[in-house]
Amino acid sequence: DTGVSQNPRHKITKRGQNVTFRCDPISEHNRLYWYRQTLGQGPEFLTYFQNEAQLEKSRLLSDRFSAERPKGSFSTLEIQRTEQGDSAMYLCASSSTGTGRNEQFFGPGTRLTVL
Amino acid sequence: DAKTTQPNSMESNEEEPVHLPCNHSTISGTDYIHWYRQLPSQGPEYVIHGLTSNVNNRMASLAIAEDRKSSTLILHRATLRDAAVYYCILSRAGNNRKLIWGLGTSLAVNP
Repeated sequence: DTGVSQNPRHKITKRGQNVTFRCDPISEHNRLYWYRQTLGQGPEFLTYFQNEAQLEKSRLLSDRFSAERPKGSFSTLEIQRTEQGDSAMYLCASSSTGTGRNEQFFGPGTRLTVL
Repeated sequence: DAKTTQPNSMESNEEEPVHLPCNHSTISGTDYIHWYRQLPSQGPEYVIHGLTSNVNNRMASLAIAEDRKSSTLILHRATLRDAAVYYCILSRAGNNRKLIWGLGTSLAVNP
C-alpha cells in the first residue's frame, strides 16, 4: 500500500499563471476528494469524484478551478489565472465504497504559494 | 450540514489519558461521528468513527453520549507523537462524501 500521493509537493507561481496538481489515490479506491486548507483552518471541501464522475462541487469554488479524473484513477486539479488568495495547501483524499469502511485516506498535500 | 464545537486547545502529559470533547447538538439520526487528526506538516489521518455505540480501535476509543449530542475521543496513554490537531466531524450515512471540518482541538503533549 503506497498510500495517496500528490505532486508537486510545493508550487510557487506568479499571480495570473495557471497551475495543475496531480493526485494518485490508493489503487482500489473509487472515491476521490479535493480539499483546500489555509493556515490555522480545517480543510475545506472542494469537489468529489466517484470513479470518473464528478458528483459534487463546492458552491464556494470559483470557475477558475477545474478538476478531472478521466479514467477513474488519478485526478488533476487546475487553477487558472491564480490569485494570491489561492495560496493554500491542496489536499487529496481517497476512499472505497467496497469495504464498507468510512475513512478517507489523505495525501501529503501540495502547498501553493501565489506571489 | 450539522456543525461541531471543540475546545481550541488542550494539554496533556505523556503517558496520561486524554479526553477530547466534541459537541454536536444538531446531529441528525443518520450522521456518523468521525475523528481525524493532523500532525504538523502532514495530511489528516483517520482516527475513529461511530454512529451510536462506543467504539474502540488500536488508536483510540470513541465514547458517544446516549442522546448523541456530544462525544469524546479518548487517547488512553498520550505520547509525544499524539501532539496534533484533532477534528471532530459529522457526515451523513449513505453519503460518504465531503467532510465538513471545523477548527479542531490542538493537543499539546508534555514530556
